[in-house]
Amino acid sequence: DAMVIQNPRYQVTQFGKPVTLSCSQTLNHNVMYWYQQKSSQAPKLLFHYYDKDFNNEADTPDNFQSRRPNTSFCFLDIRSPGLGDAAMYLCATSDPTRQLYNEQFFGPGTRLTVL
Amino acid sequence: GENVEQHPSTLSVQEGDSAVIKCTYSDSASNYFPWYKQELGKRPQLIIDIRSNVGEKKDQRIAVTLNKTAKHFSLHITETQPEDSAVYFCAASKRYSSASKIIFGSGTRLSIRP
Repeated sequence: DAMVIQNPRYQVTQFGKPVTLSCSQTLNHNVMYWYQQKSSQAPKLLFHYYDKDFNNEADTPDNFQSRRPNTSFCFLDIRSPGLGDAAMYLCATSDPTRQLYNEQFFGPGTRLTVL
Repeated sequence: GENVEQHPSTLSVQEGDSAVIKCTYSDSASNYFPWYKQELGKRPQLIIDIRSNVGEKKDQRIAVTLNKTAKHFSLHITETQPEDSAVYFCAASKRYSSASKIIFGSGTRLSIRP
C-alpha cells in the first residue's frame, strides 16, 4: 500500500545531542511537510519542501533543519534539542499538481523525548 | 495571515446524542476544509472533507456543512458512540502556486459519556 513511513516511532535523546528523524513515502508526492505537535495542541508546521524547494515557516527556530535528498525521503534534524522540543513530529505529503485540493497524508509520527 | 478558530475546546455528550463542532476561517480564498480525528498517540486521521463548491456533505453518521458567505463550517456527529471520543481538528487550505498549507483549528476534545 502506498503510504508515509516515519522512523523511528519513538526517539529518546539527551539535552543538546543532535537527533535526526526520518520520513519516507511511496506516494510519489512532490510536497513533504514536517509538523511539530505538542500535547493537546494542533500540529504546527515547521517547514515544507515543494520538490527541492525548501520553505521555512517564519517562526521555526534555527535549531530545526531539514534535508530532502530525493522525492521519497525527507529528514528533520534537531541540532541541539532542548526540553521544549519534546513532542510528536509528524511528516505529511501532498501533491497539488495532481489534486485541486490540498489533501495531506500523514505518517504515524515520531514521539521525541529529551532527557 | 490565515486563521482558523474552533469551538468548543472540550465537548462532552451522552452516548447516542449528537455532537457539533464549529469553525470559522478568515481567508476567503480557502477552498478545502478537512476534518481530522486524532486519538491519543496516533496520527491525525482525515474523517471527512468539504470543498468550496458544495454546502454539505454526509458520510454515515458524520456530516459537514459550509457557509462560504459567513466563512463558517461545522462538523456534526449523530448517534455518538464511545469510539468517537478523540480530539477533532478542523482545518482550511487554499491552493497556492507552489504548495499549499493547511491551517489547523485549535482542536476539540470530544468525550462520549456511556
